Amino acid sequence: EAQVTQNPRYLITVTGKKLTVTCSQNMNHEYMSWYRQDPGLGLRQIYYSMNVEVTDKGDVPEGYKVSRKEKRNFPLILESPSPNQTSLYFCASRYRTGITGELFFGEGSRLTVL
Amino acid sequence: ILNVEQSPQSLHVQEGDSTNFTCSFPSSNFYALHWYRWETAKSPEALFVMTLNGDEKKKGRISATLNTKEGYSYLYIKGSQPEDSATYLCAFNQAGTALIFGKGTTLSVSS
Repeated sequence: EAQVTQNPRYLITVTGKKLTVTCSQNMNHEYMSWYRQDPGLGLRQIYYSMNVEVTDKGDVPEGYKVSRKEKRNFPLILESPSPNQTSLYFCASRYRTGITGELFFGEGSRLTVL
Repeated sequence: ILNVEQSPQSLHVQEGDSTNFTCSFPSSNFYALHWYRWETAKSPEALFVMTLNGDEKKKGRISATLNTKEGYSYLYIKGSQPEDSATYLCAFNQAGTALIFGKGTTLSVSS
Protein backbone atom coordinates (compact mmCIF):
# COMPACT_ATOMS: atom_id res chain seq x y z
CA GLU A 1 0.00 0.00 0.00
CA ALA A 2 1.34 3.42 -0.99
CA GLN A 3 1.81 5.48 2.12
CA VAL A 4 3.71 8.08 4.08
CA THR A 5 4.49 6.92 7.60
CA GLN A 6 5.34 9.23 10.49
CA ASN A 7 6.52 8.34 13.97
CA PRO A 8 5.75 9.03 16.69
CA ARG A 9 2.11 9.95 16.20
CA TYR A 10 1.90 11.52 19.63
CA LEU A 11 4.67 12.85 21.85
CA ILE A 12 4.88 14.91 25.00
CA THR A 13 8.34 16.18 25.79
CA VAL A 14 10.06 18.89 27.81
CA THR A 15 11.87 22.03 26.73
CA GLY A 16 15.37 21.36 25.47
CA LYS A 17 15.16 17.60 25.06
CA LYS A 18 16.19 16.76 21.50
CA LEU A 19 13.72 14.77 19.49
CA THR A 20 13.33 13.39 15.99
CA VAL A 21 10.12 12.77 14.09
CA THR A 22 10.68 10.20 11.37
CA CYS A 23 9.00 10.19 7.98
CA SER A 24 9.19 7.43 5.41
CA GLN A 25 7.47 7.01 2.04
CA ASN A 26 7.28 3.93 -0.15
CA MET A 27 6.29 5.59 -3.44
CA ASN A 28 9.78 6.47 -4.70
CA HIS A 29 8.89 10.17 -4.54
CA GLU A 30 11.68 12.67 -5.08
CA TYR A 31 10.02 15.54 -3.23
CA MET A 32 9.34 15.47 0.50
CA SER A 33 8.22 18.22 2.84
CA TRP A 34 7.35 18.99 6.46
CA TYR A 35 4.43 21.18 7.52
CA ARG A 36 3.06 22.34 10.83
CA GLN A 37 -0.61 22.98 11.51
CA ASP A 38 -1.61 25.43 14.24
CA PRO A 39 -5.11 26.57 15.22
CA GLY A 40 -6.34 29.41 13.04
CA LEU A 41 -3.49 29.07 10.59
CA GLY A 42 -3.07 27.14 7.36
CA LEU A 43 -0.48 24.43 6.90
CA ARG A 44 2.91 26.12 6.96
CA GLN A 45 5.96 24.61 5.32
CA ILE A 46 8.99 24.04 7.56
CA TYR A 47 11.52 22.41 5.23
CA TYR A 48 11.41 20.59 1.94
CA SER A 49 13.67 18.36 -0.12
CA MET A 50 13.71 18.06 -3.89
CA ASN A 51 15.86 14.93 -3.79
CA VAL A 52 18.52 13.08 -1.82
CA GLU A 53 21.01 15.45 -0.18
CA VAL A 54 19.01 18.50 -1.34
CA THR A 55 17.07 20.37 1.34
CA ASP A 56 15.71 23.90 1.59
CA LYS A 57 13.99 26.10 4.12
CA GLY A 58 10.28 26.67 3.95
CA ASP A 59 8.34 29.49 5.60
CA VAL A 60 8.99 28.59 9.23
CA PRO A 61 12.34 26.76 9.52
CA GLU A 62 13.59 28.27 12.80
CA GLY A 63 14.27 25.67 15.45
CA TYR A 64 14.18 22.72 13.06
CA LYS A 65 16.67 20.66 11.10
CA VAL A 66 16.19 18.01 8.44
CA SER A 67 18.28 15.56 6.51
CA ARG A 68 17.73 13.54 3.34
CA LYS A 69 20.31 10.79 3.21
CA GLU A 70 17.98 8.31 1.52
CA LYS A 71 15.17 8.90 -0.92
CA ARG A 72 12.50 7.31 1.25
CA ASN A 73 13.31 9.02 4.57
CA PHE A 74 13.06 12.65 5.64
CA PRO A 75 13.37 13.05 9.44
CA LEU A 76 12.52 16.29 11.23
CA ILE A 77 14.86 17.14 14.08
CA LEU A 78 14.13 19.49 16.95
CA GLU A 79 17.52 20.05 18.59
CA SER A 80 16.16 22.02 21.54
CA PRO A 81 12.36 22.02 21.50
CA SER A 82 10.48 24.97 22.95
CA PRO A 83 6.79 25.35 23.86
CA ASN A 84 6.12 27.36 20.68
CA GLN A 85 6.90 24.21 18.72
CA THR A 86 3.86 22.51 20.19
CA SER A 87 1.93 21.71 17.05
CA LEU A 88 0.57 19.08 14.68
CA TYR A 89 3.22 18.09 12.17
CA PHE A 90 2.66 16.56 8.74
CA CYS A 91 5.13 15.00 6.39
CA ALA A 92 4.21 14.90 2.70
CA SER A 93 5.70 13.66 -0.53
CA ARG A 94 5.09 13.79 -4.27
CA TYR A 95 6.79 13.05 -7.55
CA ARG A 96 9.11 15.85 -8.55
CA THR A 97 8.01 15.93 -12.17
CA GLY A 98 6.52 19.39 -12.49
CA ILE A 99 5.21 20.92 -9.32
CA THR A 100 1.54 20.31 -10.01
CA GLY A 101 1.46 16.81 -8.57
CA GLU A 102 -0.71 16.13 -5.57
CA LEU A 103 0.88 15.78 -2.17
CA PHE A 104 0.57 12.53 -0.21
CA PHE A 105 0.43 13.19 3.51
CA GLY A 106 1.34 11.17 6.54
CA GLU A 107 -1.16 10.85 9.36
CA GLY A 108 0.41 13.58 11.43
CA SER A 109 2.48 13.79 14.61
CA ARG A 110 1.04 15.72 17.51
CA LEU A 111 3.85 17.18 19.56
CA THR A 112 3.51 18.88 22.92
CA VAL A 113 6.52 20.64 24.44
CA LEU A 114 6.16 21.48 28.14
CA ILE B 1 3.20 38.00 0.83
CA LEU B 2 1.05 35.49 -1.01
CA ASN B 3 -2.24 34.77 0.68
CA VAL B 4 -4.91 32.16 0.12
CA GLU B 5 -8.34 32.93 1.56
CA GLN B 6 -11.05 30.34 2.10
CA SER B 7 -14.65 31.07 2.95
CA PRO B 8 -16.65 30.34 4.87
CA GLN B 9 -14.44 29.29 7.77
CA SER B 10 -17.03 26.71 8.78
CA LEU B 11 -20.55 25.68 7.96
CA HIS B 12 -23.15 23.24 9.09
CA VAL B 13 -25.65 21.69 6.70
CA GLN B 14 -28.30 19.03 6.79
CA GLU B 15 -27.94 15.72 5.00
CA GLY B 16 -29.02 16.12 1.40
CA ASP B 17 -28.18 19.82 1.18
CA SER B 18 -25.83 20.96 -1.54
CA THR B 19 -23.12 23.39 -0.59
CA ASN B 20 -20.11 25.23 -1.94
CA PHE B 21 -16.95 26.88 -0.66
CA THR B 22 -14.66 29.50 -2.10
CA CYS B 23 -10.89 29.71 -2.39
CA SER B 24 -9.34 33.05 -3.40
CA PHE B 25 -5.74 33.43 -4.48
CA PRO B 26 -3.48 35.91 -6.31
CA SER B 27 -4.27 35.85 -10.03
CA SER B 28 -0.74 36.66 -11.20
CA ASN B 29 1.75 33.95 -12.29
CA PHE B 30 -0.73 31.18 -11.57
CA TYR B 31 0.62 27.63 -11.72
CA ALA B 32 -1.68 25.25 -9.87
CA LEU B 33 -4.55 25.04 -7.43
CA HIS B 34 -5.04 22.04 -5.14
CA TRP B 35 -8.03 20.92 -3.09
CA TYR B 36 -7.57 18.51 -0.18
CA ARG B 37 -10.03 16.86 2.12
CA TRP B 38 -8.94 16.42 5.74
CA GLU B 39 -10.97 14.24 8.08
CA THR B 40 -10.34 14.46 11.81
CA ALA B 41 -7.52 12.16 12.98
CA LYS B 42 -6.60 11.30 9.40
CA SER B 43 -4.20 12.70 6.84
CA PRO B 44 -5.24 15.25 4.20
CA GLU B 45 -6.08 13.57 0.89
CA ALA B 46 -5.99 15.20 -2.52
CA LEU B 47 -9.30 15.83 -4.25
CA PHE B 48 -8.22 17.83 -7.27
CA VAL B 49 -5.20 19.51 -8.81
CA MET B 50 -6.22 22.15 -11.32
CA THR B 51 -3.95 24.02 -13.67
CA LEU B 52 -6.00 25.56 -16.48
CA ASN B 53 -8.36 28.52 -16.40
CA GLY B 54 -11.89 27.24 -16.79
CA ASP B 55 -10.96 23.77 -15.51
CA GLU B 56 -13.82 21.80 -14.04
CA LYS B 57 -13.14 18.55 -12.21
CA LYS B 58 -15.50 16.06 -10.67
CA LYS B 59 -15.18 13.15 -8.27
CA GLY B 60 -18.50 11.57 -7.35
CA ARG B 61 -20.66 14.24 -5.73
CA ILE B 62 -17.79 16.69 -5.38
CA SER B 63 -16.76 19.05 -8.15
CA ALA B 64 -14.53 22.09 -8.50
CA THR B 65 -14.13 24.99 -10.89
CA LEU B 66 -11.21 27.30 -11.49
CA ASN B 67 -10.96 30.92 -12.61
CA THR B 68 -7.31 31.93 -12.76
CA LYS B 69 -7.98 35.36 -14.27
CA GLU B 70 -9.98 36.53 -11.28
CA GLY B 71 -8.21 34.31 -8.77
CA TYR B 72 -10.84 32.00 -7.34
CA SER B 73 -11.93 28.37 -7.22
CA TYR B 74 -15.23 26.90 -6.04
CA LEU B 75 -15.70 23.48 -4.49
CA TYR B 76 -19.23 22.07 -4.73
CA ILE B 77 -20.71 19.17 -2.82
CA LYS B 78 -24.03 17.88 -4.13
CA GLY B 79 -26.37 16.15 -1.71
CA SER B 80 -24.10 16.33 1.34
CA GLN B 81 -23.76 13.19 3.45
CA PRO B 82 -22.48 12.85 7.02
CA GLU B 83 -19.31 11.21 5.67
CA ASP B 84 -18.55 14.48 3.83
CA SER B 85 -17.88 16.10 7.20
CA ALA B 86 -14.27 17.24 7.06
CA THR B 87 -12.05 20.27 6.61
CA TYR B 88 -11.49 21.18 2.98
CA LEU B 89 -8.13 22.76 2.25
CA CYS B 90 -7.22 24.83 -0.74
CA ALA B 91 -3.58 25.35 -1.74
CA PHE B 92 -2.11 27.50 -4.47
CA ASN B 93 1.27 28.00 -6.00
CA GLN B 94 2.82 30.32 -8.50
CA ALA B 95 5.53 29.11 -10.86
CA GLY B 96 8.64 28.19 -8.91
CA THR B 97 7.11 28.60 -5.47
CA ALA B 98 5.92 26.26 -2.77
CA LEU B 99 2.27 25.50 -2.13
CA ILE B 100 0.54 28.06 0.06
CA PHE B 101 -2.37 26.62 2.04
CA GLY B 102 -5.53 28.37 3.11
CA LYS B 103 -6.92 27.92 6.62
CA GLY B 104 -9.61 25.58 5.38
CA THR B 105 -13.38 25.35 5.46
CA THR B 106 -14.78 22.96 8.04
CA LEU B 107 -17.99 21.26 6.93
CA SER B 108 -20.31 19.49 9.33
CA VAL B 109 -23.20 17.47 7.89
CA SER B 110 -25.88 16.23 10.23
CA SER B 111 -28.32 13.46 9.48
